[in-house]
Amino acid sequence: SQKIEQNSEALNIQEGKTATLTCNYTNYSPAYLQWYRQDPGRGPVFLLLIRENEKEKRKERLKVTFDTTLKQSLFHITASQPADSATYLCARYNNNDMRFGAGTRLTVKP
Amino acid sequence: ETGVTQTPRHLVMGMTNKKSLKCEQHLGHNAMYWYKQSAKKPLELMFVYNFKEQTENNSVPSRFSPECPNSSHLFLHLHTLQPEDSALYLCASSQEVGQANYGYTFGSGTRLTVV
Repeated sequence: SQKIEQNSEALNIQEGKTATLTCNYTNYSPAYLQWYRQDPGRGPVFLLLIRENEKEKRKERLKVTFDTTLKQSLFHITASQPADSATYLCARYNNNDMRFGAGTRLTVKP
Repeated sequence: ETGVTQTPRHLVMGMTNKKSLKCEQHLGHNAMYWYKQSAKKPLELMFVYNFKEQTENNSVPSRFSPECPNSSHLFLHLHTLQPEDSALYLCASSQEVGQANYGYTFGSGTRLTVV
């Protein structure tokens, strides 16, 4: 079965540093991977999508990579701020099937 | 607000009660989804509707019953639930099933507690 895993349950970093979150998948590559942000008591909010044939995507301070050899996507937040503290979810999409990882809780300390 | 509205935000119900969760979107989307989110677990897909037709029931117990009267509204009817059904129930929408280039739009969820 298709699995998607976010290896770190929690990540703590200092303000100003780059946060790097990891998402790994099994079996064949998804058509695309998506990243979402979820704040406590709220639903996930869509951030970025990267397709199978794309290596990298950027949006302001966010960068996502997709490595089909490693079966991995990395999500980077540069110049991190305390306001970036949240849970970040990755999701794989294939054939009308969207599967989410359990999320990584990021805490950016001042 | 995201454009997907869920009510109520919080619900406490006994195991013998019957209640309903409501989801409404006016984004012009044709696909709507129910997800269950339990602590430290991935989102679990429950039901999918595309153009008002149910396209997926992900082996959900019959004590959960969805209803989609039109593309803008989605309900989840609950009856004789168990304490392990306590979770955050999230509604989401997208342009249509198979079109998720812009991601899913989620509501804020209903925090359900079964006592």
